[in-house]
Amino acid sequence: IVLAQSPGTLSLAAGERATLSCRASQSLSHFLAWYQQKPGQAPRLLIYGASSRAAGIPDRFSGSGSGTDFTLSISRLEPEDFAVYYCQHYGSSHITFGQGTRLE
Amino acid sequence: QEQLVESGGGVVQPGRSLSLSCVASGFTFSDYVMHWVRQAPGKGLEWVAVMWYDGTTKFYADSVKGRFTISRDNSKNTVSLQMNSLRAEDTAVYYCARNLGRATSSPLGPWGQGTLVTVSS
Repeated sequence: IVLAQSPGTLSLAAGERATLSCRASQSLSHFLAWYQQKPGQAPRLLIYGASSRAAGIPDRFSGSGSGTDFTLSISRLEPEDFAVYYCQHYGSSHITFGQGTRLE
Repeated sequence: QEQLVESGGGVVQPGRSLSLSCVASGFTFSDYVMHWVRQAPGKGLEWVAVMWYDGTTKFYADSVKGRFTISRDNSKNTVSLQMNSLRAEDTAVYYCARNLGRATSSPLGPWGQGTLVTVSS
């Protein structure tokens, strides 16, 4: 399974809405997660099951989609949201990450 | 709180071996599937290996199959990664991570802080 994220870089201002895309080479059902990574830090889980927010994640983050097309939306960008975002397919035997979208 | 702490990184020559360890605390270690994920400098995330609860089931990325071995010791709350025949392209920060839930199919919840492995002559 290959995950293609777009765009590679997204340039927005605080307060704007961000929409990040992840497209899979085959159907993932709902086994899709999104992570945020800031420089020098480990990734942090944001969304799992395509649309469920992880514990402690603000409600400005939302996920949608199923099958092969998924979206991460950030409704009103805060300064701390500027980071790299990865989508991930999780299976029992393997995990695949997208190449990442840099939000600047 | 749930915590993962990796160790064992360093500089190693191509073709040599290195072993990484990850010690877990704050949860029942044997209840969870454990992974290694790596990130080359300035690059994205690459999944490396997974081991299920009792250590009898494990899977690897094609890029490390036959060279890396994942293992776990539930009595010591530790998961390890033995890396043999190292190559320059194995240079990365190596993270251990735990499944968020107890199922085998689960996103990754707690992550360690990572340990840097540099393969260079």
